[in-house]
Amino acid sequence: NAGVTQTPKFRVLKTGQSMTLLCAQDMNHEYMYWYRQDPGMGLRLIHYSVGEGTTAKGEVPDGYNVSRLKKQNFLLGLESAAPSQTSVYFCASSSYGNRGETQYFGPGTRLLVL
Amino acid sequence: AQKVTQAQTEISVVEKEDVTLDCVYETRDTTYYLFWYKQPPSGELVFLIRRNSFDEQNEISGRYSWNFQKSTSSFNFTITASQVVDSAVYFCALSGNSGYSTLTFGKGTMLLVSP
Repeated sequence: NAGVTQTPKFRVLKTGQSMTLLCAQDMNHEYMYWYRQDPGMGLRLIHYSVGEGTTAKGEVPDGYNVSRLKKQNFLLGLESAAPSQTSVYFCASSSYGNRGETQYFGPGTRLLVL
Repeated sequence: AQKVTQAQTEISVVEKEDVTLDCVYETRDTTYYLFWYKQPPSGELVFLIRRNSFDEQNEISGRYSWNFQKSTSSFNFTITASQVVDSAVYFCALSGNSGYSTLTFGKGTMLLVSP
């Protein structure tokens, strides 16, 4: 039982390059989330999904796209990376999301955009 | 709109001291949920506690205790007899009960415990 895993752990991109971050969970959770963490800003929600095939925008969605083709996976895409997207990205999952269910987090992906 | 304020950006204590981390929240929901997470230097986020708005009993878990006061919209976290391993960033977070409620985080408090 690995919980929530994220791939890759660290990546360096040049401005304008694209990449996809993969999140996988083995807890059969319905809800999945992508956050970014920046110094002094806490965690901010990028996008989330309330079930397979659904996605919704969070607080800071611009410049990112997501897909949830399988219940256990949630992908975060950067089509044209910008230095402002340098951050640590966390994926999380919860059984549901409308009754304050606890979110469990992956180990994070550190992204540097040059 | 929900808001979580952790006014203490950084706290430094010496081992064995008690320390309290403050958390003040704002929400219009009558039912809501409060959380604390720990982020040690290794970077992962570790869930510590979840409380719902109907349960105002204080909770104690070993050296950790939480004081929930609805009257002051606060959910403070106390570590008794702090240890070096407690050094981490601690986040308070809030989730409402309307629709697809999402988690709103405070900006975190960095706790440094020196030997």
